[in-house]
Amino acid sequence: QSALTQPASVSGSPGQSITISCTGTSSDVGSYNLVSWYQQHPGKAPKLMIYEVSKRPSGVSNRFSGSKSGNTASLTISGLQAEDEADYYCCSYAGSSTYVVFGGGTKLTVL
Amino acid sequence: QVQLVQSGAEVKKPGASVKVSCKASGYTFTGYYMHWVRQAPGQGLEWMGWINPNSGGTNYAQKFQGRVTMTRDTSISTAYMELSRLRSDDTAVYYCARDLWPGRGDYGMDVWGQGTTVTVSS
Repeated sequence: QSALTQPASVSGSPGQSITISCTGTSSDVGSYNLVSWYQQHPGKAPKLMIYEVSKRPSGVSNRFSGSKSGNTASLTISGLQAEDEADYYCCSYAGSSTYVVFGGGTKLTVL
Repeated sequence: QVQLVQSGAEVKKPGASVKVSCKASGYTFTGYYMHWVRQAPGQGLEWMGWINPNSGGTNYAQKFQGRVTMTRDTSISTAYMELSRLRSDDTAVYYCARDLWPGRGDYGMDVWGQGTTVTVSS
């Protein structure tokens, strides 16, 4: 069982928006603004999409946005495109003892 | 360009050890922590720990303490992850990944290696 809880799957049609939730605890997501999100296509290495809750690395489309409320972080993808179909993982700093925890991953299907 | 290149696939027997390398290029190797993350077949990402290439200091996930050793050779900008007493459930793709922020190990992972498949089978 992963430390952070994500829905197993979400889906949307091209052009629509979807949101993936990532629920942790007051020991990780709730205490630190150090949540990151990764996109992973089959057989490929993960790619950083969001860091520090809502910041986008250079080169990542502004269709991707992140937010946090309490112990839950969210990734929103607007204007869905076929190429967005992938697995998405959230990750959080969890203090000096546990350090880094990942979510179980969410499979995004673009219908 | 900034990149991490990992060593090739390995097949090991239960009880053996495996050592995976990760060669960095395009940036100052000692400036950024290096994480190791693994992914079992059909499963999610699992953080194993990090190494500070500057000091050699490490931080291992509790699950792997006693079985994992992360080292580096700054002369060739290469990080290593050795996992001992292998079991069948250690079969996974192992990734190295650079931390986003210089001198920190908690901001996220912005550059990833291509992954190294380790298969543990008798």
